[in-house]
Amino acid sequence: SQTIHQWPATLVQPVGSPLSLECTVEGTSNPNLYWYRQAAGRGLQLLFYSVGIGQISSEVPQNLSASRPQDRQFILSSKKLLLSDSGFYLCACKGDFGNQPQHFGDGTRLSIL
Amino acid sequence: AQKITQTQPGMFVQEKEAVTLDCTYDTSDQSYGLFWYKQPSSGEMIFLIYQGSYDEQNATEGRYSLNFQKARKSANLVISASQLGDSAMYFCALLSGSARQLTFGSGTQLTVLP
Repeated sequence: SQTIHQWPATLVQPVGSPLSLECTVEGTSNPNLYWYRQAAGRGLQLLFYSVGIGQISSEVPQNLSASRPQDRQFILSSKKLLLSDSGFYLCACKGDFGNQPQHFGDGTRLSIL
Repeated sequence: AQKITQTQPGMFVQEKEAVTLDCTYDTSDQSYGLFWYKQPSSGEMIFLIYQGSYDEQNATEGRYSLNFQKARKSANLVISASQLGDSAMYFCALLSGSARQLTFGSGTQLTVLP
């Protein structure tokens, strides 16, 4: 079964600082990978998804970027954080076989000061 | 375009009773899947149950069942014999056609009362 590792669990960063959140997956190969953001008390907003190494699709224009340097590694980055980047960031993984469910990591709570 | 609607921002249920969480969807695709996830206060997203558009039987997983009414485009989650640990946010999600990403509803906060 798939295991998704996300770190750090919590992060407090000042406005204007850079960001790097990492997600790695075990137990599957060639997965689809996703980054979501969830504002407090709200639903999930898809930020990026990737169907393979170096292939990134962006769903919303924003201050963030994503990269997939390896098959089972997905990185969310920013050069300069904004206050509006605060939220709960979730990485998800799905096998590329039909209607399989996405499985999620434990998330990163990001607070921008 | 795909759309998921959860009209109940919050629900309360007495322990040991059943509760239904509503979900309606909109898609023009003939092939699609519906998912329910549970998100406790700790934040992790836990997959609960899946229903395929061509599945003739309603999906069941333990105390969870999905009341799938295709003509009405609804996929309500039924939790039987509610437990205190069921208190959480519940999200309905749609995977439609060739899309590789889920569309999530806004969620329903369920509180189980002792």
